[in-house]
Amino acid sequence: QKEVEQDPGPLSVPEGAIVSLNCTYSNSAFQYFMWYRQYSRKGPELLMYTYSSGNKEDGRFTAQVDKSSKYISLFIRDSQPSDSATYLCAMISAAGNKLTFGGGTRVLVKP
Amino acid sequence: NAGVTQTPKFQVLKTGQSMTLQCAQDMNHEYMSWYRQDPGMGLRLIHYSVGAGITDQGEVPNGYNVSRSTTEDFPLRLLSAAPSQTSVYFCASGTGLANPSGEKLFFGSGTQLSVL
Repeated sequence: QKEVEQDPGPLSVPEGAIVSLNCTYSNSAFQYFMWYRQYSRKGPELLMYTYSSGNKEDGRFTAQVDKSSKYISLFIRDSQPSDSATYLCAMISAAGNKLTFGGGTRVLVKP
Repeated sequence: NAGVTQTPKFQVLKTGQSMTLQCAQDMNHEYMSWYRQDPGMGLRLIHYSVGAGITDQGEVPNGYNVSRSTTEDFPLRLLSAAPSQTSVYFCASGTGLANPSGEKLFFGSGTQLSVL
């Protein structure tokens, strides 16, 4: 079993809809949680970073962490075609030097 | 404003050949790492380095070697290429990972490698 599980999708939504993405993890040592966005043929880029349970907002993006359930989510409001990409969750322990990634969810936002 | 530069962008090898993937960063980052990305597998860590002269293994190190003689460069060597090493390889750098201020990894644009 992988340490971090993520539905591969694809997740197809109409423009303006809310995109909901999530990851589950098994390692209770993970303390820092990230979401990366990866466009086709590009390297990943960091979208959101959080280290506490609860919600964190940044513009149209909201990251949610539930450490008790080992579950993290990313919500994209008012989705745009430019949000079409693969979204990867990533996490790391407090003393770690190794980032563990989920497999990524491909998102398609249709005009 | 180069960031993380990877070369080459594409490479085709025959089984048994060796080659080096180059990675350079101009941000004076201590931390550098190599990942491979395969369909449905996400990014898997191959090797990483927390500073010049210091390297360590990641999740999938077999068949790969690294060295870190300078802060800027972190080459990845394939000793004897195998078809299982066909993948997209990403180099990333950062000043630290477990940093509450939100330090992040900067990724290069990737090297697509095919081993026939």
